[in-house]
Amino acid sequence: NAGVTQTPKFQVLKTGQSMTLQCAQDMNHNSMYWYRQDPGMGLRLIYYSASEGTTDKGEVPNGYNVSRLNKREFSLRLESAAPSQTSVYFCASSPSRQGQYFGPGTRLTVT
Amino acid sequence: DQQVKQNSPSLSVQEGRISILNCDYTNSMFDYFLWYKKYPAEGPTFLISISSIKDKNEDGRFTVFLNKSAKHLSLHIVPSQPGDSAVYFCAASARGSGNTGKLIFGQGTTLQVKP
Repeated sequence: NAGVTQTPKFQVLKTGQSMTLQCAQDMNHNSMYWYRQDPGMGLRLIYYSASEGTTDKGEVPNGYNVSRLNKREFSLRLESAAPSQTSVYFCASSPSRQGQYFGPGTRLTVT
Repeated sequence: DQQVKQNSPSLSVQEGRISILNCDYTNSMFDYFLWYKKYPAEGPTFLISISSIKDKNEDGRFTVFLNKSAKHLSLHIVPSQPGDSAVYFCAASARGSGNTGKLIFGQGTTLQVKP
């Protein structure tokens, strides 16, 4: 099992560019999540998907969109990147309330 | 409004001694708490959890204590080892979150264990 995989690992964008962060899990989990981690802010939830076909906003959804393509895949899209979106992005999946499994992260810099 | 707070950004302890990491929460609907550990350039990994029906849960060198009246939990690591040096996140899940598994995380505490 690969667990939770994320691509790319690193990305540099110019302000206004768009990109999609990809996430896949092979653990047959129903729920998937996108977080961003910034210094002193911990992990903040951007969007989550409780099950295939559903998505909901988290704490910091502005400037992002998501797609739950199927049970395995959950992508995060930045339509027009801004320097404030410079961060490390983590995808996670969960079978229940009992805990989440995280991917290795994508380090995004917006100049 | 920070519902889960880790007020100590960093902690330094000597190898072999006890590390105590603290976490406070404000939402009385939280009924399940978790600790995650994160090494640089890796994703967080689950460490230990506790349900609100308990006040203590132990797993090897790691023990989590929950004080519901004070809305406070702590993670004890005994004895601390250099490999424990990492960022530790406290997280909470609310009753009524159903099967979403949604968590609220604290800001994290960086633990350094000196040899």
